Amino acid sequence: DVKVTQSSRYLVKRTGEKVFLECVQDMDHENMFWYRQDPGLGLRLIYFSYDVKMKEKGDIPEGYSVSREKKERFSLILESASTNQTSMYLCASRRRDRVNSPLHFGNGTRLTVT
Amino acid sequence: QKEVEQNSGPLSVPEGAIASLNCTYSDRGSQSFFWYRQYSGKSPELIMFIYSNGDKEDGRFTAQLNKASQYVSLLIRDSQPSDSATYLCAVNREDSSYKLIFGSGTRLLVRP
Repeated sequence: DVKVTQSSRYLVKRTGEKVFLECVQDMDHENMFWYRQDPGLGLRLIYFSYDVKMKEKGDIPEGYSVSREKKERFSLILESASTNQTSMYLCASRRRDRVNSPLHFGNGTRLTVT
Repeated sequence: QKEVEQNSGPLSVPEGAIASLNCTYSDRGSQSFFWYRQYSGKSPELIMFIYSNGDKEDGRFTAQLNKASQYVSLLIRDSQPSDSATYLCAVNREDSSYKLIFGSGTRLLVRP
């Protein structure tokens, strides 16, 4: 079974802090993703990566950056946290070679910025 | 217009009934479609994917795809209270083999 592990289940940070969300997958998937999920807005793609050191912006990249130094690890960085970044953050991974391969999600990190 | 649209619900059905969940999408070139189930406080889990026109069945679940009309639906037969969850439709964009675009989900409530 694919395992996607997010380092924290809950985080509370202050406005202006730099925040790191870590994600590790164990199935050698090429593609990794960061989504945020908010009530009424569903899952929105922040960034994704299709290979080591490769990244592309998703639909809502503003205020975020990412890092993928190793294939199994994909980090989301909030350079200066703001209250409107309070959300559930979901990491996911997927095989690249099949268009019908599903996304496998981590358990999520609920971030609160005060 | 959103790329993937779902009625937010809640859709309330009695136990044992058929629950019908619908999803429309705007990208005519989309090829792959996924249904995820998400329990409150949990991450989404894959129920089914469908790739070509027609129906796909897996146990109590049937996914139906109509590309001409650009909608995909999920039928849940013999609904159980444990099926109560939010159901997310996801569509693979034609321009990328990587990105899945999600609808905002339909909340299903199965009454005992």
